[in-house]
Amino acid sequence: AQSVTQPDIHITVSEGASLELRCNYSYGATPYLFWYVQSPGQGLQLLLKYFSGDTLVQGIKGFEAEFKRSQSSFNLRKPSVHWSDAAEYFCAVAGTASKLTFGTGTRLQVTL
Amino acid sequence: EPEVTQTPSHQVTQMGQEVILRCVPISNHLYFYWYRQILGQKVEFLVSFYNNEISEKSEIFDDQFSVERPDGSNFTLKIRSTKLEDSAMYFCASSVLGLSDTQYFGPGTRLTVL
Repeated sequence: AQSVTQPDIHITVSEGASLELRCNYSYGATPYLFWYVQSPGQGLQLLLKYFSGDTLVQGIKGFEAEFKRSQSSFNLRKPSVHWSDAAEYFCAVAGTASKLTFGTGTRLQVTL
Repeated sequence: EPEVTQTPSHQVTQMGQEVILRCVPISNHLYFYWYRQILGQKVEFLVSFYNNEISEKSEIFDDQFSVERPDGSNFTLKIRSTKLEDSAMYFCASSVLGLSDTQYFGPGTRLTVL
């Protein structure tokens, strides 16, 4: 069965600082991996996805993520965080079925 | 930009009552989904729907739940007899293709069962 672990429940960074959110997945074959962001009162917005090919993927809002098969990880990064990035971030995996399996999320707080 | 819409944004109901949550997926999408998020917990898959039938469902999606595409635009989730534990945010999503194509999510309906 597929699963996702996001070990950090809550992260606080200063505006302008770099960010890395961790995601580890469990899936037997090559997974399809996603990062979604949820702002308060909003739905889930796709930041980026990995299906195959280049293991470093670029997304919207200056985010990127790197797929590392050897570590079963798909960490999300941003070189310089903006106050508007404060939100909850979800990593998700999909296998051969169409359903997404989400992690528990990481809440990002940005201090000015 | 096309988006998934959901109504109502908040629904309050008494335990044992039936509720219908409504979604309008993006118009050229063929696959539809419902997920839920209990407060403080992760988003969980409920059901996927394609070609007017359920293609996959989770163990959460028991006989109390049903989905329907009553016309060419709406996609509904019905809970026949609500329980306290059904209180959650329910998200609708849609995608052009299945098999891990990008799913676009609506803003959610917060269901409160009293």
